[in-house]
Amino acid sequence: KAGVTQTPRYLIKTRGQQVTLSCSPISGHRSVSWYQQTPGQGLQFLFEYFSETQRNKGNFPGRFSGRQFSNSRSEMNVSTLELGDSALYLCASSSAVGHNEQFFGPGTRLTVL
Amino acid sequence: DAKTTQPPSMDCAEGRAANLPCNHSTISGNEYVYWYRQIHSQGPQYIIHGLKNNETNEMASLIITEDRKSSTLILPHATLRDTAVYYCIVRVALSEGGADGLTFGKGTHLIIQP
Repeated sequence: KAGVTQTPRYLIKTRGQQVTLSCSPISGHRSVSWYQQTPGQGLQFLFEYFSETQRNKGNFPGRFSGRQFSNSRSEMNVSTLELGDSALYLCASSSAVGHNEQFFGPGTRLTVL
Repeated sequence: DAKTTQPPSMDCAEGRAANLPCNHSTISGNEYVYWYRQIHSQGPQYIIHGLKNNETNEMASLIITEDRKSSTLILPHATLRDTAVYYCIVRVALSEGGADGLTFGKGTHLIIQP
């Protein structure tokens, strides 16, 4: 069974731009969660989607948004990029909403210049 | 979620058992202990979880004390590929409403020495 895939793996943007990251969950998994990892703040929960609906949201500004498609694939978008948005963005899939056994992808490394 | 305390770093010789402790003295009766690890530049990987009985799978063993205030993750024969940051997480189970994302602390950086 294929694992969680994320594209692109690396991305360089400049301040003020926007970015869209993509995540394909494990086949059959309907829940997708997004996390941000930085050296200073560690791993932080962004939001979770299940059945195309956002079920939970972490403490991040509205510039961070996401969506989920009918095939469970998910995208997250960050608008008006700031230098502090430079991070590793991780996607995790699980079989049910709020499930604690989550399977993570390799992440997208975003650098904002 | 209950707060957890882990040592920031540990060393272990290759081939020996690595024992990673976690303190969770405020754990509630309905909270499970989960372990994840993150190898450098990769996403976290689920290892094992338990409620109060000891658990074992192909990756590791989890020993939970009788009062459930602490636990130990055991990697029986550590290899260089086990070098990673190990996270101990305490959470309620899915069916009881745990749905606000996993909370990762700083974890323990385990270094396996050749």
